[in-house]
Amino acid sequence: QVQLVQSGSELKKPGASVKVSCRASGYTFTNYALNWVRQAPGQGPEWMGWINTASGNPTYAPGFTGRFVISMDTSVSTAYLQISTLKAEDTAIYYCARKPFYFYHMDVWGQGTTVTVSS
Amino acid sequence: EVVLTQSPGTLSLSPGERATLSCRASQSVSSNYLAWYQQKPGQAPRLLIYGASSRATGIPDRFSGSGSGTDFTLAINRLEPEDFAVYYCQLYGSSPIFTFGPGTKVDI
Repeated sequence: QVQLVQSGSELKKPGASVKVSCRASGYTFTNYALNWVRQAPGQGPEWMGWINTASGNPTYAPGFTGRFVISMDTSVSTAYLQISTLKAEDTAIYYCARKPFYFYHMDVWGQGTTVTVSS
Repeated sequence: EVVLTQSPGTLSLSPGERATLSCRASQSVSSNYLAWYQQKPGQAPRLLIYGASSRATGIPDRFSGSGSGTDFTLAINRLEPEDFAVYYCQLYGSSPIFTFGPGTKVDI
């Protein structure tokens, strides 16, 4: 079955970096874009950016440039979100979600990865 | 940037009742670009409706979407206990590419 499986929870200190993975299975990885969505505690989802898995080209939302890097490895059907210089306000659940090309929604979501930034 | 507003913030209903949720865009948008998601505590959002009115795979037909221009509606007929959740509308645009509304909580 179609699945996006994310890496486990992370506890990091301010200033550290974290890399979250999202492994796709059950479909052809390069036929769908891969998005990253942040959900801070008690808040709604916020789109961070996506990667065009056919070209490898990432696009970032305003506010998610500089410290945030989206990448992928097609050999293992996996997308990554790396956040550097972590701040307390990066504490959130991070989801990956698949977007069919030529459609305008996200149809399959990962289970989420909790990143906690605390000294 | 197009802003999405959802109303009401909270909808208190009983099982078996009908829920009507509203999503309003700050300017006219293509209905192709409007989707609805359901999120339960501790779970990822789940796609319900895309293209304003098309049900996603496996979504019961008690869920329906409608609307155009700036006003969109998600209706849930005959609420089941598992339908009590938070519902978000989502718009595909230019920058940011995806925008979510603030959500409507449907509770008992």
